[in-house]
Amino acid sequence: EVQLVQSGAEVKKPGESLRISCKGSGYSFSSFWISWVRQKPGKGLEWIGRIDTSDSFTSYGPSFQGHVTISVDKSIRTAYLQLNNLKASDTAMYYCARPGYCNDDSCRDLDNWGQGTLVTVSS
Amino acid sequence: QSVLTQPPSVSAAPGQKVTISCSGSSSNIGNNDYISWYQQLPGTAPKLLIYDSYKRASGIPDRFSGSKSGTSATLGISGLQTGDEADYFCGTWDSSLRAGVFGGGTKVTVL
Repeated sequence: EVQLVQSGAEVKKPGESLRISCKGSGYSFSSFWISWVRQKPGKGLEWIGRIDTSDSFTSYGPSFQGHVTISVDKSIRTAYLQLNNLKASDTAMYYCARPGYCNDDSCRDLDNWGQGTLVTVSS
Repeated sequence: QSVLTQPPSVSAAPGQKVTISCSGSSSNIGNNDYISWYQQLPGTAPKLLIYDSYKRASGIPDRFSGSKSGTSATLGISGLQTGDEADYFCGTWDSSLRAGVFGGGTKVTVL
């Protein structure tokens, strides 16, 4: 069974940094990319970016470029999303998800999702 | 403001059918056949329902269907059940943004 297990909820102050983890199991980890998706309270889904777990190639959505960093440690089958200089507007649920297929040009459906990590930024 | 446009809500009685539209442009829905639909039950992560515009994901009943025409896609849910009450999102790749894009979501209510 494919599983993506994310790290637990976080409460941070404005200006702090945070790294969320996503550990994959039940499949060949380096054969699939990982994407990250944000969902603000009561709102829709926003695509943050993606990483090729085999060679760490990354790409980001225009709204997130320069504000987040996606990385991977394939030796422990774990992808990461780093958020720097946190603001109250970063308060959201963050999901990792596995695209069914990706290449350098595009990705398709997200066929497996992590349980989500709730990030609260408050002074 | 989401790149793909969905109606905020739809509703119908149990056993009836609802359709949810997802409108895009020539750089996303109009540019590929890889439209996906997700169901998000309250308090849970999204779950893949439909991929490649019309293919059902593993374990998804045939009450759920997908289609695409031009720059729009549609999700149909027939034989509506109370367990179908959820938010539904469409998604695809945008070749101009070089990013994944989603609709704003549609809340399905079973009357």
